[in-house]
Amino acid sequence: AQKITQTQPGMFVQEKEAVTLDCTYDTSDPSYGLFWYKQPSSGEMIFLIYQGSYDQQNATEGRYSLNFQKARKSANLVISASQLGDSAMYFCAMRRSSGGSYIPTFGRGTSLIVHP
Amino acid sequence: ETGVTQTPRHLVMGMTNKKSLKCEQHLGHNAMYWYKQSAKKPLELMFVYNFKEQTENNSVPSRFSPECPNSSHLFLHLHTLQPEDSALYLCASSQEGAGLEAFFGQGTRLTVV
Repeated sequence: AQKITQTQPGMFVQEKEAVTLDCTYDTSDPSYGLFWYKQPSSGEMIFLIYQGSYDQQNATEGRYSLNFQKARKSANLVISASQLGDSAMYFCAMRRSSGGSYIPTFGRGTSLIVHP
Repeated sequence: ETGVTQTPRHLVMGMTNKKSLKCEQHLGHNAMYWYKQSAKKPLELMFVYNFKEQTENNSVPSRFSPECPNSSHLFLHLHTLQPEDSALYLCASSQEGAGLEAFFGQGTRLTVV
């Protein structure tokens, strides 16, 4: 079975500083994908970044980067230069295969609050 | 038109009512999903449709009944719900084969009274 673990229920960061949100995973699949989503208070899940298990380099998307350590089974999200609008819930997810579908399975999430 | 649209955004219903949640995607995707998000709990996958066929049903009570008439539309029919069914219901879609990220709607916040 696949599992995603996010151990930080809440994180606080000062505006303009960097913050790391932790994610570890467990899977027996040789090929898998890892995602991070942001969920503001409005409720919509917004895709941020994707890392494939065979990707040689860590994924980056603007201020978001994914610190992928395959041997340690971790996929931490790094947000550089935090902004007030980054305050939200952040979910780590893994794509698992089932019946021909690739289904996102989510961790419990981390609440990030950015202070001015 | 936005990618994935859910209606209504908010719904209050009594335990004896029947209502339906609607999800529509304009992305040409062939897989659609229903998730339930309760307070203090992780997202729970409810149903998966792939090319209009239900491929996963995660032991969801029969008071929740999904319907997928075509690849662009997904419904969740609700009847005789319980107060513990109050939650945010999220619809998502993705393109199989590409296997990348799922796109989500803004959700329907359901309150059962």
